[in-house]
Amino acid sequence: KAGVTQTPRYLIKTRGQQVTLSCSPISGHRSVSWYQQTPGQGLQFLFEYFSETQRNKGNFPGRFSGRQFSNSRSEMNVSTLELGDSALYLCASSLARTTEAFFGQGTRLTVV
Amino acid sequence: QQQVKQSPQSLIVQKGGISIINCAYENTAFDYFPWYQQFPGKGPALLIAIRPDVSEKKEGRFTISFNKSAKQFSLHIMDSQPGDSATYFCAARIIQGAQKLVFGQGTRLTINP
Repeated sequence: KAGVTQTPRYLIKTRGQQVTLSCSPISGHRSVSWYQQTPGQGLQFLFEYFSETQRNKGNFPGRFSGRQFSNSRSEMNVSTLELGDSALYLCASSLARTTEAFFGQGTRLTVV
Repeated sequence: QQQVKQSPQSLIVQKGGISIINCAYENTAFDYFPWYQQFPGKGPALLIAIRPDVSEKKEGRFTISFNKSAKQFSLHIMDSQPGDSATYFCAARIIQGAQKLVFGQGTRLTINP
């Protein structure tokens, strides 16, 4: 069974640009969560999607948004990039909203 | 308080020794406590998890001890091996419309051969 797939693996963007990251969950998993990992703040919850609806959002500005498609694939978007947005963005999928979460390898975003 | 405090930040253990990582929490709404292992360049991998109605769970060389009254839990790695060298994160889950994991700051574990 394929794991959680995130694309692209690496991304370099310029301050002020916007970026879209993609996540394909494990087949059959309907819940997708996004986390930001930085050396200073650690792993922080961004948001969670289930059945194409955002169910919960972490303490991040409105520049961070996402969506989920009918096939459970999810995208997250960051607009007006700032240097501080440089991080590893991780996607996790779960079979349901209360089952174990499995992470992808992440997308390493560097903002210059 | 939705924080999980993890210690130590880094740990060096000799091969064959026992590695112990500790976590503490405040929020009694947390209902599930997983541990993740992360290697450089990889995403966190689920290692073992426990629910608060259980005091101990063992899977191979990995054991979680859970003390509900003290709001503390720990990961024990028996017979530690160089391949166990990684960063370990404890986490606690809260259901707020959806499941949200709150992570500890991580422990960088090095097993010396």
